[in-house]
Amino acid sequence: NAGVTQTPKFQVLKTGQSMTLQCAQDMNHEYMSWYRQDPGMGLRLIHYSVGAGITDQGEVPNGYNVSRSTTEDFPLRLLSAAPSQTSVYFCASSYSGGYTFGSGTRLTVV
Amino acid sequence: QKEVEQDPGPLSVPEGAIVSLNCTYSNSAFQYFMWYRQYSRKGPELLMYTYSSGNKEDGRFTAQVDKSSKYISLFIRDSQPSDSATYLCAMGFRDYKLSFGAGTTVTVRA
Repeated sequence: NAGVTQTPKFQVLKTGQSMTLQCAQDMNHEYMSWYRQDPGMGLRLIHYSVGAGITDQGEVPNGYNVSRSTTEDFPLRLLSAAPSQTSVYFCASSYSGGYTFGSGTRLTVV
Repeated sequence: QKEVEQDPGPLSVPEGAIVSLNCTYSNSAFQYFMWYRQYSRKGPELLMYTYSSGNKEDGRFTAQVDKSSKYISLFIRDSQPSDSATYLCAMGFRDYKLSFGAGTTVTVRA
């Protein structure tokens, strides 16, 4: 039982590049979310999904897109990377009763 | 003003001491309250989950929620060096759309 799997674990991008952070869960969870974590600011919600085909914006959605074509997968796409998107990104899934988090992707934009 | 304010710490306590962690919030619609523990360079893991005022106990951990004062606490009894981590409070009016505190880093000295 793998839980929530995020890839890659580390990534360096140049300003203006695009990329997709992958997230997959094998627990048949209905809810999935993407958070970013920055020093002193805690976790901030980027986008979330309450089921396949349904997504919505969180607190800091600008510069990011998501889609949820299956229950298992919830990729996060950076459209045109900016240095302000340097952060640690966490994907999480839940049925109810609290989230299970992945191990994170450390992204640096130079 | 942030929706969730968490005592910033850091806290350093001797082994065996009681650790007390606190968060306040401004949104009276919040009804789901959680505490997560995060070890360095890892994803957060769920410690406690509650949706009602009052106390909830799980082993050495007690979560306390006071909705009238918009205040939640986590107590760790008989603290151990393995409890050294960052503790994050989280809350929301849906348990899949959470607002997090910035975290309190705790060090338990052997």
